[in-house]
Amino acid sequence: QKEVEQDPGPLSVPEGAIVSLNCTYSNSAFQYFMWYRQYSRKGPELLMYTYSSGNKEDGRFTAQVDKSSKYISLFIRDSQPSDSATYLCAMRTMNRDDKIIFGKGTRLHILP
Amino acid sequence: GAGVSQSPRYKVAKRGQDVALRCDPISGHVSLFWYQQALGQGPEFLTYFQNEAQLDKSGLPSDRFFAERPEGSVSTLKIQRTQQEDSAVYLCASSLLRKGVQETQYFGPGTRLLVL
Repeated sequence: QKEVEQDPGPLSVPEGAIVSLNCTYSNSAFQYFMWYRQYSRKGPELLMYTYSSGNKEDGRFTAQVDKSSKYISLFIRDSQPSDSATYLCAMRTMNRDDKIIFGKGTRLHILP
Repeated sequence: GAGVSQSPRYKVAKRGQDVALRCDPISGHVSLFWYQQALGQGPEFLTYFQNEAQLDKSGLPSDRFFAERPEGSVSTLKIQRTQQEDSAVYLCASSLLRKGVQETQYFGPGTRLLVL
């Protein structure tokens, strides 16, 4: 079992829908949780990060962490065609020597 | 300002050839990371530099992989005697300093390597 599990999709939803993307993890030492967006033939770019359980909102994006279930989510409201990309969850411990562990990414298509 | 740049963007190599991939980090960024991203997978850590010092190379898959950053800015990832399983996108990222967890890693566009 990999440390971080993420459904690769693809996930296709109509424009304007709410999108839910999820990851599960097995390492209870993970404390720092991130979501990256990666457009085709581009490098990943950081969308959001959270330190603890709960919700964090930034515009149309909400990141949610449930440490008791080892489950994180990213919600996208009012989805737009420009949101079509691969979304990677990533996480690490608070140990400064530890690496970021990425999920395999979920391919998202927003249909106009 | 300019982001992280990588060259070449695409590289086709015959099996057994040596390749060199270049990364120009954001000016002033102390930390530099190399990742390997196979098709349909997330990035996997290869190695990390703080200035010119290679502090972690635990992710390099074999001794055919070698990275350097001699002057603490530009970095080169070299793969000797390439194999088909080396085909992947090689991503470089830089950040101000790997201290705590508040730094953001900025990624380059990657070099897509295909070994025939």
